[in-house]
Amino acid sequence: SQKIEQNSEALNIQEGKTATLTCNYTNYSPAYLQWYRQDPGRGPVFLLLIRENEKEKRKERLKVTFDTTLKQSLFHITASQPADSATYLCALVDTGRRALTFGSGTRLQVQP
Amino acid sequence: NAGVTQTPKFRVLKTGQSMTLLCAQDMNHEYMYWYRQDPGMGLRLIHYSVGEGTTAKGEVPDGYNVSRLKKQNFLLGLESAAPSQTSVYFCASSWGGPSSGANVLTFGAGSRLTVL
Repeated sequence: SQKIEQNSEALNIQEGKTATLTCNYTNYSPAYLQWYRQDPGRGPVFLLLIRENEKEKRKERLKVTFDTTLKQSLFHITASQPADSATYLCALVDTGRRALTFGSGTRLQVQP
Repeated sequence: NAGVTQTPKFRVLKTGQSMTLLCAQDMNHEYMYWYRQDPGMGLRLIHYSVGEGTTAKGEVPDGYNVSRLKKQNFLLGLESAAPSQTSVYFCASSWGGPSSGANVLTFGAGSRLTVL
């Protein structure tokens, strides 16, 4: 069966450190993968999209990698800040499907 | 520019009652979606629409109906609410579909529904 797996345990890190979140998938052949941020009581907000032929994508302090052989994406936040505390969701679309499928998300807590 | 607006934000229903959640977008997006979010289960697709007048089933469509009579509106209906439908419902829209690569979703703020 198809699965998108994100670490369900919260990730706690100190301010200024790099946070790394993992998204693994099985039985998908995604053309691209997306990352979203969700704050409590609010809808997810799009952050980054990476295509299958791209190894890495950057946006300010954010970096995403995509390894289609390992079937894994890593999401990095460098120089993390307490304001980065949120739940981060990965999402992908399988070839032939018509909508995004989301992982359950990983909650990041950045301690000052 | 409001983006995606959902109404109501909160609702409590008794088992067997019916209700409609309204989603409106002002971005002229073709695609619209309804997801539900439950603790530990992430976002699950209920129904979606690829354009005005069209609807399609997602991953968990049972117990729900939808309509897209106008491009900017996507309605989610519960005909006979059940406690298992207690959840947070999110509407989203996108300019293009998955094959276009323009499948970035803009979400509403969510509607919290409790069925007693």
